[in-house]
Amino acid sequence: AQTVTQSQPEMSVQEAETVTLSCTYDTSESDYYLFWYKQPPSRQMILVIRQEAYKQQNATENRFSVNFQKAAKSFSLKISDSQLGDAAMYFCAYRSAEGLFVSGDKIIFGKGTRLHILP
Amino acid sequence: DVKVTQSSRYLVKRTGEKVFLECVQDMDHENMFWYRQDPGLGLRLIYFSYDVKMKEKGDIPEGYSVSREKKERFSLILESASTNQTSMYLCASSLAGRNLAHEQYFGPGTRLTVT
Repeated sequence: AQTVTQSQPEMSVQEAETVTLSCTYDTSESDYYLFWYKQPPSRQMILVIRQEAYKQQNATENRFSVNFQKAAKSFSLKISDSQLGDAAMYFCAYRSAEGLFVSGDKIIFGKGTRLHILP
Repeated sequence: DVKVTQSSRYLVKRTGEKVFLECVQDMDHENMFWYRQDPGLGLRLIYFSYDVKMKEKGDIPEGYSVSREKKERFSLILESASTNQTSMYLCASSLAGRNLAHEQYFGPGTRLTVT
């Protein structure tokens, strides 16, 4: 079974600085998708960025980028020029893309990293 | 924009009560999910549904049931609420398709307190 591990329960970063959130996963599959979700305090969870395992190029969305190391099974999120609005719980997530269609397209989530932005 | 709505943001129920949590999505998504979120435990999947009247157990289905009579609506039922079901409940939906990077869209959550 696949697992997703976020080893940093909490992190803090100074406003305007850069921070990297770590995520490792375990799988025997070669084709899958990885996601970072953001859950601001008292607000809905939203997708930050996604990566398809077959793509070697790291995904980027504005100030958010990932460092995808497939062999190491590592998928870290880098936030550049941190802003107060980046304060949130961040979840790393995995979804399989292999095999026959299986109902549900389940996503496996890590336990999350709470990010604090210091003004 | 995809919208996933949940019937209540906050709910307080007594032990033993039957509790219904409703979730509605407006984007014709095939898949719908119910999670519970607890501090230090992340999101844990309770049940999911991939079509009307179709459902499958997630990781922690005990004490819960679900209903999906219409494509847009997915209900979570606590047959006899207990204090250990006090939690934040999140609903999500997504398009189907194993070979596509479909994200899940989440509702705002229902914070349920069982006293």
